[in-house]
Amino acid sequence: NAGVMQNPRHLVRRRGQEARLRCSPMKGHSHVYWYRQLPEEGLKFMVYLQKENIIDESGMPKERFSAEFPKEGPSILRIQQVVRGDSAAYFCASSPPDNQPQHFGDGTRLSIL
Amino acid sequence: QQQVKQSPQSLIVQKGGISIINCAYENTAFDYFPWYQQFPGKGPALLIAIRPDVSEKKEGRFTISFNKSAKQFSLHIMDSQPGDSATYFCAASSGTYKYIFGTGTRLKVLA
Repeated sequence: NAGVMQNPRHLVRRRGQEARLRCSPMKGHSHVYWYRQLPEEGLKFMVYLQKENIIDESGMPKERFSAEFPKEGPSILRIQQVVRGDSAAYFCASSPPDNQPQHFGDGTRLSIL
Repeated sequence: QQQVKQSPQSLIVQKGGISIINCAYENTAFDYFPWYQQFPGKGPALLIAIRPDVSEKKEGRFTISFNKSAKQFSLHIMDSQPGDSATYFCAASSGTYKYIFGTGTRLKVLA
């Protein structure tokens, strides 16, 4: 499967724990984007990364959320000290260097107990 | 000004009919307009996309109509099939990377 791979598909955490979401882009894609989708809503942009660089994190909450895309390995979205409001589907997308189009993974559904 | 307004919220169409979903935007800097299809439990899948230098683009049963002066674009699904039942999202971007998504249209095609 040459698509965008996200894992885990489902993640359950208790309030105060940390959540780590992983994303491997499509082969040949060097740009990664993270979006959040609340139930019955559209996707909201969170962050855009290239290898070892955060290009735009204007959609990320100022606290507890961070993202990285290391030289080797998948992109990671990290949520520290999770709260109930973090429950959502988190989607990763990737694109070739000219940014278009973005192809999405099947998401990680995060549930906070 | 960064919003993309999508309508209707839900749509029921008979098999073989035409499904029409509309989107409107304010930001004239938007220059790329993709449509995505999403099934439950899956990620959005790119259906078709258009740039504002053309007024229409067709791929199989899917057509985007684009009205630059009205700042509106729409998705037409011809000969709608039960397998088309899904949520459809329009989006827009301004030559950068940040997609602004509509709120989605839940389409149900009756057999």
